[in-house]
Amino acid sequence: EAQLLESGGGLVQPGVSLRLSCAGSGFTFRSYAMNWVRQAPGKGLEWVSVISGSGGSAYYADSVKGRFTISRDNSKNTLYLQMNSLRAEDTAVYYCAKEQDILNGYFDSWGQGTLVTVSS
Amino acid sequence: QSALTQPASLSGSPGQSIVISCTGTSSDVGAYPYVSWYQQHPGKAPKVMIYEVNNRPSGVSSRFSGSKSGNTASLTISGLQAEDEADYYCCSYTSSSTLVFGTGTKVTVL
Repeated sequence: EAQLLESGGGLVQPGVSLRLSCAGSGFTFRSYAMNWVRQAPGKGLEWVSVISGSGGSAYYADSVKGRFTISRDNSKNTLYLQMNSLRAEDTAVYYCAKEQDILNGYFDSWGQGTLVTVSS
Repeated sequence: QSALTQPASLSGSPGQSIVISCTGTSSDVGAYPYVSWYQQHPGKAPKVMIYEVNNRPSGVSSRFSGSKSGNTASLTISGLQAEDEADYYCCSYTSSSTLVFGTGTKVTVL
């Protein structure tokens, strides 16, 4: 059974950077596209970014393009999200999610989420 | 990348059926067979209920079914049960090579 465990969230000030990690286990990590999806407090789900299994392709939501970078280390079975120039509106629970095929929207496994709070 | 439009809330009595709509455009829902549906209970991670419009993952109750007509996708929950009370989100691939979620629907079992 696939398991995903996010880490790296916390309280940060506007304008700073933060890197989230997501450790995968129970599946062949390099074979699957991996996504970040966020949810602001009391709000709906927002897709953030996806990276292909090889790491060769990545796509971003307009709201984070140019500020966030998704990457992965398949030797460590770990997904990352580098978040720069953080804004108050980036405050959310960030989930990593395993996707059956890149950009088909079929997220069959999710982590428990890590909370990022951007506030002065 | 505007969110897909869903009704904010729906309710039904146990045993009834409800239909949650998800309206997009000809650049997302209407253009591709990549619509999925997620159930989320409070404080929990989402769970996939339907993928690629009308496919049900192993382990998901047959009471859940999906369909699509034009720019609108639908999730039908038949034989409503107490445990179905949750938030539901649709998700679609878009022509910009991104994914977009719906606004979410809170389902209440009366």
